[in-house]
Amino acid sequence: AQKITQTQPGMFVQEKEAVTLDCTYDTSDPSYGLFWYKQPSSGEMIFLIYQGSYDQQNATEGRYSLNFQKARKSANLVISASQLGDSAMYFCAMRGSQAGANNLFFGTGTRLTVIP
Amino acid sequence: NAGVTQTPKFRVLKTGQSMTLLCAQDMNHEYMYWYRQDPGMGLRLIHYSVGEGTTAKGEVPDGYNVSRLKKQNFLLGLESAAPSQTSVYFCASARDTAGLAGLSRETQYFGPGTRLLVL
Repeated sequence: AQKITQTQPGMFVQEKEAVTLDCTYDTSDPSYGLFWYKQPSSGEMIFLIYQGSYDQQNATEGRYSLNFQKARKSANLVISASQLGDSAMYFCAMRGSQAGANNLFFGTGTRLTVIP
Repeated sequence: NAGVTQTPKFRVLKTGQSMTLLCAQDMNHEYMYWYRQDPGMGLRLIHYSVGEGTTAKGEVPDGYNVSRLKKQNFLLGLESAAPSQTSVYFCASARDTAGLAGLSRETQYFGPGTRLLVL
């Protein structure tokens, strides 16, 4: 079974600063993928970034990067140069090799607030 | 191209009433899902479907039924609503992972959500 843990219920960051949102996972699957989603106050879920367990390099997508430490089973999201529009809930999710139908397991989320 | 749409956006029910939530996608995706989101608990999978005419249970299926009569639609039914089913419901769809499973980079595409209040 997969388990995702996000230990930060809320985080604050000054505008233009970088922030790291933590995500640890637990799985016995040899291959898996990790996803991050953003949920603004409007409610929709927006895909941000993906990291595969066999990927040699940490994933990057614009201002988003993933600090993937496989031995520690962590996949922290780094947002650089924070903007006011980054204020939202952020969810880490995982798909394991035994997952049926592309199923994802989600963490409980971190609420990020960007301070002007 | 509307992506994933959900109907209705908001609904209030009395305990014991029934209702159906409709999810529609226009991306020709094989897989569809229903989640519920509760405060402090993230998204939890209720049911999912790997194709037209097929459904399967997720993590929290009790009290819900689903049907996928057409590839583009996935219906979530509550036969006898309970206050514990007060939640925000999200539908999602995704492409077939082509056997890649955990190595698939395919994301799920989410609808805007349905807010349900059961009194």
